[in-house]
Amino acid sequence: GNSVTQMEGPVTLSEEAFLTINCTYTATGYPSLFWYVQYPGEGLQLLLKATKADDKGSNKGFEATYRKETTSFHLEKGSVQVSDSAVYFCALSLYNFNKFYFGSGTKLNVKP
Amino acid sequence: DGGITQSPKYLFRKEGQNVTLSCEQNLNHDAMYWYRQDPGQGLRLIYYSQIVNDFQKGDIAEGYSVSREKKESFPLTVTSAQKNPTAFYLCASSIGGGSDEQYFGPGTRLTVT
Repeated sequence: GNSVTQMEGPVTLSEEAFLTINCTYTATGYPSLFWYVQYPGEGLQLLLKATKADDKGSNKGFEATYRKETTSFHLEKGSVQVSDSAVYFCALSLYNFNKFYFGSGTKLNVKP
Repeated sequence: DGGITQSPKYLFRKEGQNVTLSCEQNLNHDAMYWYRQDPGQGLRLIYYSQIVNDFQKGDIAEGYSVSREKKESFPLTVTSAQKNPTAFYLCASSIGGGSDEQYFGPGTRLTVT
């Protein structure tokens, strides 16, 4: 089947620390991969995406590389800020299915 | 501005009442989706619609109903048959085709007492 597994949170970091949130997937075809961010009480916003193997998505200092050999799409940021505190969701979609598969979300807390 | 609107932001109902959550988009997207999110949990798909006048059940459709009479509108009714309706409900849309990103509304927090 199709599924996404994320590291459990919460992840607590100090400002300017390096961030990695792990995401691995299982898919029956060739998925597109996404990271979404959710701030408290709000909907999800697309952070970045990658549509084929070895693509790197990047936005606002965050980046993730589509690794087909390890079925992974880990989110990284070199220096986090307090304003990055949110819940991050990894997701995949498959062209013929018109559905998204979301991970359970990882809460990030950044302390000043 | 193009986007998805959900109303109201907060909704309170008594147990045993049906309630309808609104979702409107002006992005000209074909596909629309309803998700449920519980505290500390991920998203679970309730219903989705790929085109007007057509919709499919998601993973947790029991106790919910939808309609898709217009391209821009996809209202969700939470019926009295839904055992635990208190949750955060998110509507989303996409161009269609499955591999496109989904755009989310701000959500409606429903509390049933």
